[in-house]
Amino acid sequence: EAQVTQNPRYLITVTGKKLTVTCSQNMNHEYMSWYRQDPGLGLRQIYYSMNVEVTDKGDVPEGYKVSRKEKRNFPLILESPSPNQTSLYFCASSFMTDNTEAFFGQGTRLTVV
Amino acid sequence: ILNVEQSPQSLHVQEGDSTNFTCSFPSSNFYALHWYRWETAKSPEALFVMTLNGDEKKKGRISATLNTKEGYSYLYIKGSQPEDSATYLCAFKGSGGSNYKLTFGKGTLLTVNP
Repeated sequence: EAQVTQNPRYLITVTGKKLTVTCSQNMNHEYMSWYRQDPGLGLRQIYYSMNVEVTDKGDVPEGYKVSRKEKRNFPLILESPSPNQTSLYFCASSFMTDNTEAFFGQGTRLTVV
Repeated sequence: ILNVEQSPQSLHVQEGDSTNFTCSFPSSNFYALHWYRWETAKSPEALFVMTLNGDEKKKGRISATLNTKEGYSYLYIKGSQPEDSATYLCAFKGSGGSNYKLTFGKGTLLTVNP
């Protein structure tokens, strides 16, 4: 089954404690991205990757890091989480130039206290 | 930052009403326009991917049109049902280099009252 898998689904953590949210896709997609969703602000892109070892900042990259060492995985790293990073996070993947849709993970609800 | 605007922000309709929403996007460097349906507590799911000016796509009671020259797309729902209640997102995909990323609008929240 084609899918994007995010883990964990829910996470409560404390300010400053490094965390990683994993994202894995099994569709051989080149393009992967991370979004955060906040009330009234829609889906805002944090980082994206167009292929292995190719990553770039989205619209709200501050406080986040990513890596793309393998095509299927695109982890989101918060080195020192702060309360303003409390949000709902989605990972998505798609083909770059194919006219097909993006597939989304199940979402990660992160709370930083 | 690319400007993708959706209107209205929210909409309440009665069961059986037909409704439509608008997505505005840049008319230059167009590659594709996506529509997604996002139910509460779930992930966004694709409705349509549209690429050609004048495109019309249909899935059941939902249809969409595309005008790339003027930079807008309409999503129509005929005979709304309570299960249509969701946020409808459009996303613009540009062409060339980093423009291939998907830029989302803020969505239109549709509530269909029984």
